[in-house]
Order: sequence, then C-alpha cells, then structure tokens
Amino acid sequence: EAGVAQSPRYKIIEKRQSVAFWCNPISGHATLYWYQQILGQGPKLLIQFQNNGVVDDSQLPKDRFSAERLKGVDSTLKIQPAKLEDSAVYLCASSLLWGRTGKNIQYFGAGTRLSVL
Amino acid sequence: AQSVTQLGSHVSVSEGALVLLRCNYSSSVPPYLFWYVQYPNQGLQLLLKYTSAATLVKGINGFEAEFKKSETSFHLTKPSAHMSDAAEYFCAVSRPPSGAGSYQLTFGKGTKLSVIP
Repeated sequence: EAGVAQSPRYKIIEKRQSVAFWCNPISGHATLYWYQQILGQGPKLLIQFQNNGVVDDSQLPKDRFSAERLKGVDSTLKIQPAKLEDSAVYLCASSLLWGRTGKNIQYFGAGTRLSVL
Repeated sequence: AQSVTQLGSHVSVSEGALVLLRCNYSSSVPPYLFWYVQYPNQGLQLLLKYTSAATLVKGINGFEAEFKKSETSFHLTKPSAHMSDAAEYFCAVSRPPSGAGSYQLTFGKGTKLSVIP
C-alpha cells in the first residue's frame, strides 16, 4: 500500500513570495490533515478535511494560508505572502475513519521543508 | 483542554541500555495516547497507541508503554537500545473536536534519542 505522498520535499523562497505544497493521501482515506512542525517543536494542526469539506481550520492563519481538497483526494496548502516565521516542515497526514476510534490512526507523509529567507 | 509534556528534549543512552522516554498528559476526557517516531527527513511513524484497553501497550521495534492514570503518564520504554533507535520521539494525546471536527492529536515537543556505541 502506498503511503502519503508529498511534494516538493524542499523549498526555499524569499519572504513575501508565495508557495504551494501538494499532498496525496493513502487511497480511500477520507480524512486529511495539514500540520506545521517548527524546528524543536511537535507538529501543530493547521487544517483538517473530511472528504472535500473543511471540518476544522481554527489554527490556520487565514490571512496568508489557504488549503483546498477539491475532489476529496489530493490537497494543496498555499502560503501567500510568506513570512520568515513560516519556515518549518509541513506535514500531511491521512486517516481512514472519522471520529474517535482506536482504528482512526493518522499516517504521515515525509513532509515539505520550507525555508523562508 | 488536552496537553502533553515530554520531559527531556534530548536523551542519550548506550547501546544495549534501557530506553526510557517520559510523557505526561492532561486531558479533560479519558485519553487516547500515542507514541510516534520520526527519523531524520522522514514523516512520523506510529509506534504504539493506548485506546482504553490494556494499560501495557506493546508496539513495533520492541517498544512498549504503560498507561498510568494515577500518574497521568504514558512513558515509553525499550529494554535494550539499538543504534537504529536513534530518532525523535513524540507523545500525543487525542482530544475532542473543536466545533464539528473529528478528534485530533495534540503533540508534545518531542524527545531526541541518541544511542552511543
């Protein structure tokens, strides 16, 4: 079974530029998550999708970050314009089930490492 | 509110020695708890999970963790460290959704494990 795919693996941009990350979840997984992992910290949830709908974006800085999952499969996360403090690894995860069950495990991609100069 | 505290941002052990990584949690509801491992330049991989069944949970690669409600702890152990165990380890607690969302993970800041030959 293929895992969660993310691209690009690395991205270097200057502040005020825009950037986009792509995620392809595990086939059949309805729930998709985007996390931000700043160096030295644990992942922080940015946004959660159930199929193609947003179920929680309370921690997404909406003035500069946006995300979509148009067909309920792939997802893109965009930052425009980027700030220095956006330098981080952006992780995508997916899970099969909805809700709080012991089987609702999140599977993570390798992440995109963003450096904003 | 749910939170996780990992004691020690960096732990060093000798090869063959006991590995003990500490995690304490705070949760307003009976928690589900997880340990993930992150190897350099890779995503997070699930080691083990506690979902209110047996309090001693066995995971992959010889790791296990014990849920102690009285101590609000979920420490990760392995009897004998291998060089391949060198990685960063994250403890996470599953928390109730905000709004209409599903249960989500709150991560600790991580503990980097070094194994000395």
